[in-house]
Amino acid sequence: GAGVSQSPSNKVTEKGKDVELRCDPISGHTALYWYRQSLGQGLEFLIYFQGNSAPDKSGLPSDRFSAERTGGSVSTLTIQRTQQEDSAVYLCASSLGLAGGIIDTQYFGPGTRLTVL
Amino acid sequence: TQLLEQSPQFLSIQEGENLTVYCNSSSVFSSLQWYRQEPGEGPVLLVTVVTGGEVKKLKRLTFQFGDARKDSSLHITAAQTGDTGLYLCAGAYAGNNRKLIWGLGTSLAVNP
Repeated sequence: GAGVSQSPSNKVTEKGKDVELRCDPISGHTALYWYRQSLGQGLEFLIYFQGNSAPDKSGLPSDRFSAERTGGSVSTLTIQRTQQEDSAVYLCASSLGLAGGIIDTQYFGPGTRLTVL
Repeated sequence: TQLLEQSPQFLSIQEGENLTVYCNSSSVFSSLQWYRQEPGEGPVLLVTVVTGGEVKKLKRLTFQFGDARKDSSLHITAAQTGDTGLYLCAGAYAGNNRKLIWGLGTSLAVNP
């Protein structure tokens, strides 16, 4: 596809269940980011993958959160034992992975709205 | 502590009015971006500014990067209902052009 896609678009789950969110980046983009956005608020960085390098996990809020990126393309964000405070929109972005110079522009997917009951 | 402060947080105006929103920091950024996000969508890049004092125009939108590269503003002339959305600024520090610092955004509503 032409842009970043995410699935599902909406997910409702019960407290304590595990959820998996998927991101398909733009073809050829080596960098992939996950963010969390609470209602009407800015973006909270979660994790960043760049090529084959070890991911930057510095934004993950707890060990219940994990992410992987298979084959340098599709990524899955997993939240274990979900809590009500995990309810938010989870956004994925990808970029060319250009080093140095100006900002390596990120292209965002439409997000997954997670609701934990 | 929010590293990028955006103001105002909310703004509701009538169609045809002018407005300015601000993005301020005590830190120096090598470059800064503005995004607009509509409900149910991800943010979409509007502009990238890289030089202190730089002014960029995109139709009715004028973006300015402060001389010291610590702040930026977005001015919209004759706002339209299609300008409604969340405006986010994001900055990059020198030597790290990927991990951006995000503001919390200005939520703009343009009423007909």
